[in-house]
Amino acid sequence: GAGVSQSPRYKVAKRGQDVALRCDPISGHVSLFWYQQALGQGPEFLTYFQNEAQLDKSGLPSDRFFAERPEGSVSTLKIQRTQQEDSAVYLCASSLSARSLMNTEAFFGQGTRLTVV
Amino acid sequence: RKEVEQDPGPFNVPEGATVAFNCTYSNSASQSFFWYRQDCRKEPKLLMSVYSSGNEDGRFTAQLNRASQYISLLIRDSKLSDSATYLCVVNPNTGNQFYFGTGTSLTVIP
Repeated sequence: GAGVSQSPRYKVAKRGQDVALRCDPISGHVSLFWYQQALGQGPEFLTYFQNEAQLDKSGLPSDRFFAERPEGSVSTLKIQRTQQEDSAVYLCASSLSARSLMNTEAFFGQGTRLTVV
Repeated sequence: RKEVEQDPGPFNVPEGATVAFNCTYSNSASQSFFWYRQDCRKEPKLLMSVYSSGNEDGRFTAQLNRASQYISLLIRDSKLSDSATYLCVVNPNTGNQFYFGTGTSLTVIP
């Protein structure tokens, strides 16, 4: 596709429910990032993939958060046993490999707004 | 200390005004710098990259000061359509993350 696509756009989950958020990056983009953006804050890094390899997951807030990108394209962010503090917009971004190109920009999807009630 | 720090504002300026935002970063080895724009309830979009020598794109000028570890964005002749949140972004190139500031809110008033 022409841009990064995320689904669903909105998700309401009951506390304790598991959710799965999907990201389709730009075709051919090697790097994929997940960010969490709380209201009034900048995006906070969660995890990074280079192709199918998850090279950095230091930003995942707890072991309830899990991300995968098994074939190096589509990625899924899963949150188990959701809590109210998980309510945020989850942004996915893709870019050409940041390791080989200077000034490589990241292209963002429109995000999934998760509300845990 | 956060990797990237910005004054959250808000900045409320009249149309036609010049406004400047600064952003500081903590990793002196950082190599890539950007300004992104985010409209309310939308995704961040690249406004401009920031080059070592400084760069200009129409009414927008970006500067990098490595010695003091800050980048700036200058907007001249502000338009109503410039109202948005401006995010400072740093990629250290030694890692894989794009570090974002909290964003600076700008409202241009008629």
